Amino acid sequence: GAGVSQSPSNKVTEKGKDVELRCDPISGHTALYWYRQSLGQGLEFLIYFQGNSAPDKSGLPSDRFSAERTGGSVSTLTIQRTQQEDSAVYLCASSRKGLAGAETQYFGPGTRLLVL
Amino acid sequence: GENVEQHPSTLSVQEGDSAVIKCTYSDSASNYFPWYKQELGKGPQLIIDIRSNVGEKKDQRIAVTLNKTAKHFSLHITETQPEDSAVYFCAASMKRAGGTSYGKLTFGQGTILTVHP
Repeated sequence: GAGVSQSPSNKVTEKGKDVELRCDPISGHTALYWYRQSLGQGLEFLIYFQGNSAPDKSGLPSDRFSAERTGGSVSTLTIQRTQQEDSAVYLCASSRKGLAGAETQYFGPGTRLLVL
Repeated sequence: GENVEQHPSTLSVQEGDSAVIKCTYSDSASNYFPWYKQELGKGPQLIIDIRSNVGEKKDQRIAVTLNKTAKHFSLHITETQPEDSAVYFCAASMKRAGGTSYGKLTFGQGTILTVHP
């Protein structure tokens, strides 16, 4: 079946502009995650949506970052007034509640953001 | 919060040799430990995971061991092949408070594995 898809695959923007990154999770997956991967670094958690529960926003680095998930499916990550330090690969993952309680997270290919 | 340390940062082996990557975690409440493989330009792909109620899990050439007392877990790849060359990440997670779902993953910094033919 189709995996997690993200768009755009690459985005170049100027400092100070706003950007929107989109994630389409695997159909039927109730949980959705955003992570950020800076060059040569590990993945940094940003935000987590699980069903109708309040999202876990504890990883968002500043109030310039926000995310929403409409209809329990597609999610959009918005970065306002972008800064050069926002340049990174933004990865989305989704998961469903496994029978054993552990949820395998399946990742999309990422959006490579470059802020000039 | 949770902190995951991963070593080594780079690992170079000859084809057919074994490779071992080690991770330590700080939060004893963590109970789910996946390993991901990331190839250039792609998203991470799960290769194996282990829950805290077991000490070892094996899948063909890949195995993971977990020592809850010492709070460390390791990835073992035997009979390495050139296509195993990639960046490997360990991660840790725990149940969300009040729920049965695992939430955010805390990742190690990654290990660049190179397998020479």
